[in-house]
Amino acid sequence: DGGITQSPKYLFRKEGQNVTLSCEQNLNHDAMYWYRQDPGQGLRLIYYSQIVNDFQKGDIAEGYSVSREKKESFPLTVTSAQKNPTAFYLCASYLGTGGSYGYTFGSGTRLTVV
Amino acid sequence: LAKTTQPISMDSYEGQEVNITCSHNNIATNDYITWYQQFPSQGPRFIIQGYKTKVTNEVASLFIPADRKSSTLSLPRVSLSDTAVYYCLVAQKGYSSASKIIFGSGTRLSIRP
Repeated sequence: DGGITQSPKYLFRKEGQNVTLSCEQNLNHDAMYWYRQDPGQGLRLIYYSQIVNDFQKGDIAEGYSVSREKKESFPLTVTSAQKNPTAFYLCASYLGTGGSYGYTFGSGTRLTVV
Repeated sequence: LAKTTQPISMDSYEGQEVNITCSHNNIATNDYITWYQQFPSQGPRFIIQGYKTKVTNEVASLFIPADRKSSTLSLPRVSLSDTAVYYCLVAQKGYSSASKIIFGSGTRLSIRP
């Protein structure tokens, strides 16, 4: 089955530590996205990438970094500069053309600072 | 970029029909209306998409009036498992515009026995 795989499902970070969240898709989608969701809130865009080796900042990019070396992969690093990283992180992909009906989301990674 | 407005929360009972309305007054000619459903600790999933009039699938119906300034998601005979957050999105097809899509806070639907 095609889809998006996020790992790990749960992640704990110590203060001052960088952590990387994995996102892999086998849908052959061009565009990929990272969203952050806080309790009871909507989704806020962190970064997005429309093609390999290119990515753009979203609304809340500070304290985060990404890479897009392969079409299938879009890892997100939460750096020590992100002062309040505890949240639910969602990765999504989008075909864009060819009659796509929208985003496909992964199952999310819940990050907690300990 | 079309901004959407939808109720923060709604309550209903099992077996009832639920209608969630979304306002998008500045929708553009090439914009489509898409609804997503999100359960706790899961990613949103696509429910339905439409451009005008009425669209129906096995899960829901989407009603869009002629002026397209609003749309209504209709869930027939809801069950407890329909308790979720529902997001209304307005955007053009094609990833050049997808990057500008904003999900917002959605409508939190609670279904009671």
